[in-house]
Amino acid sequence: DAGVIQSPRHEVTEMGQEVTLRCKPISGHNSLFWYRQTMMRGLELLIYFNNNVPIDDSGMPEDRFSAKMPNASFSTLKIQPSEPRDSAVYFCASSLGGREGEKLFFGSGTQLSVL
Amino acid sequence: EDQVTQSPEALRLQEGESSSLNCSYTVSGLRGLFWYRQDPGKGPEFLFTLYSAGEEKEKERLKATLTKKESFLHITAPKPEDSATYLCAVQATGSARQLTFGSGTQLTVLP
Repeated sequence: DAGVIQSPRHEVTEMGQEVTLRCKPISGHNSLFWYRQTMMRGLELLIYFNNNVPIDDSGMPEDRFSAKMPNASFSTLKIQPSEPRDSAVYFCASSLGGREGEKLFFGSGTQLSVL
Repeated sequence: EDQVTQSPEALRLQEGESSSLNCSYTVSGLRGLFWYRQDPGKGPEFLFTLYSAGEEKEKERLKATLTKKESFLHITAPKPEDSATYLCAVQATGSARQLTFGSGTQLTVLP
């Protein structure tokens, strides 16, 4: 299995631009999570989906952030407009659910720099 | 509010020098405590889940233990390839799928 696949690995953009991060979860996993990691705040959960349905988006910082999961094999996290404080590493993770649900498999992340 | 505090922030060991990492937590009720390993430029990799006080899990040179207030990750005779950041996370009862992560301990094992 290729694991969780994220793209792009690195994204450099200018303030005000739209940014779209992509994630392909592990086949068969029914839960998908978007996390953000910074030195100051560590790993923070932004949103998670169960069976393609958004369950908890309370971690999404503001309306500039949106996430979709149109099918079981693809999810996007969009920031529009982007701001320098959005600079961070964004991770996607997937899991099987159930008692094993908390065993998260993370992708390699997208390093976002907003200038 | 759930809180996780890890110590030390950084630890340097000589190869073969055993030590322990600490994870102190505050939750209303613990559903599970998790240890992850993170290498530079990569996502966290799952190591262990502990569910109740007194539980222990082992994997190669690592052993995780859990009490009602903290967890320890014991590293026995570490090797340079054990160098990484070790993250602790807790899931509280009734918190759905939310994991609260600590800030991690950066471990460096010198040859």
